[in-house]
Amino acid sequence: GQQLNQSPQSMFIQEGEDVSMNCTSSSIFNTWLWYKQDPGEGPVLLIALYKAGELTSNGRLTAQFGITRKDSFLNISASIPSDVGIYFCAGPEYGQNFVFGPGTRLSVLP
Amino acid sequence: EAGVTQSPTHLIKTRGQQATLRCSPISGHTSVYWYQQALGLGLQFLLWYDEGEERNRGNFPPRFSGRQFPNYSSELNVNALELEDSALYLCASGRWSTGNYGYTFGSGTRLTVV
Repeated sequence: GQQLNQSPQSMFIQEGEDVSMNCTSSSIFNTWLWYKQDPGEGPVLLIALYKAGELTSNGRLTAQFGITRKDSFLNISASIPSDVGIYFCAGPEYGQNFVFGPGTRLSVLP
Repeated sequence: EAGVTQSPTHLIKTRGQQATLRCSPISGHTSVYWYQQALGLGLQFLLWYDEGEERNRGNFPPRFSGRQFPNYSSELNVNALELEDSALYLCASGRWSTGNYGYTFGSGTRLTVV
């Protein structure tokens, strides 16, 4: 099946810093999703991207659908403590079920 | 709008037993997806049901099975439990109208096999 890679695997940042993470695929995708998972909870959809080159924002979060359609990027500006969690990218496999990347674990230091 | 509901929230079983996990999708969603998330790991796709039929299956043994009922709720059954089946089992539902992709997840069922 398709494989997604995310980098970095984990990151520790100071509150107020900007964050960048990315996701790459072995295959071309027509949709990219970004989710965040808090401890003990299910992932929550942050941003959905549907077109190569698309740039979409959700508050302090901005995600981009890479031109090659094999990658996507998520940026968080001015991080706050509640940004702590695991961020997953996902892309469609066999049409309508999604494969998830291994996640980027974000820790925010006060 | 009520979210995706999973029950039970926690389940403790003995190796060799069977576990049944339940999921109620968001109203209007016809697809249900099951994922396994072992501790500290990512989400591994298990099963996809749509309109009562199994549409796709991940790389899991046949002792992982399920079904979807006419009201679109779903059950995941795990037979002959093994210790490594201990994980958070997440259910998600979706609706594939134009421009509305992406799952909504429930909070999961934490299965512990002892």
